[in-house]
Amino acid sequence: GAVVSQHPSRVICKSGTSVKIECRSLDFQATTMFWYRQFPKQSLMLMATSNEGSKATYEQGVEKDKFLINHASLTLSTLTVTSAHPEDSSFYICSARVLMRSNEKLFFGSGTQLSVL
Amino acid sequence: GENVEQHPSTLSVQEGDSAVIKCTYSDSASNYFPWYKQELGKRPQLIIDIRSNVGEKKDQRIAVTLNKTAKHFSLHITETQPEDSAVYFCAALMYSGGGADGLTFGKGTHLIIQP
Repeated sequence: GAVVSQHPSRVICKSGTSVKIECRSLDFQATTMFWYRQFPKQSLMLMATSNEGSKATYEQGVEKDKFLINHASLTLSTLTVTSAHPEDSSFYICSARVLMRSNEKLFFGSGTQLSVL
Repeated sequence: GENVEQHPSTLSVQEGDSAVIKCTYSDSASNYFPWYKQELGKRPQLIIDIRSNVGEKKDQRIAVTLNKTAKHFSLHITETQPEDSAVYFCAALMYSGGGADGLTFGKGTHLIIQP
C-alpha cells in the first residue's frame, strides 16, 4: 500500500504549549488528507479534512482555532494543537486518499500519541 | 450525516473457527465500505474493502458481504489464527467524484482468538 508518514510518534508536553504534528505522503501526491483523533479503546473520530491550497473543513464540535491545519503542499499536511490541555491527550492520526488501480483507497499514518501534563 | 453501528464490541472465538463482524450504516448514498485492523498503539491497516456495485468480495481467509437494501455489511474471517487478534473497524463513506470525504467509523470489535 501507499506510505503515509507521520511525525512525531509520541509527544509529552506541558499544559499551555503548542504541538505540531506532520503527515507526509511519501510516494504519491495527496490533495486531500484527513485528521482523526482516537481516545483509548474508542473508535477514530474525524476531526477535519485538509485540502491542499485551501482552508481545512472541520467537523462539528472541533475548534478550528485550537486545531490548526495547514496543507501547504501536495505531500504535507500539519496539525497544530495550540495551547494544549490534558483533555487534548489522545492518539492523533492522519490519512490520505490514494488512487490505486482506478479505485480510491485511504491509508493511515502511524499516529501520534499526545500526552499533555 | 452518516452513522455506522458495529457489533459485537468483543468477539472471542477458538483458533480455527470463523469470526463474523457486522455493521449497519444510515446514509443510503454511501458507496464505499472498508474494513481496518488495528493492533494496540498502531495505525489502522486496510484489510479489505467493498464498493456498492459489488455484493461480495473475498481475499484468502477474509471476505466482506454487502446488502445495500438492508444497509448492512459484514466481515468474515475463516480459519482464524492467533495473529488475527486485534480491533477491527468498519467504515463507510460516499465518494462524490473527487470531493473531500472522511470515513465514518464503527466503534470497533475486539477480536480475541483463543488457542
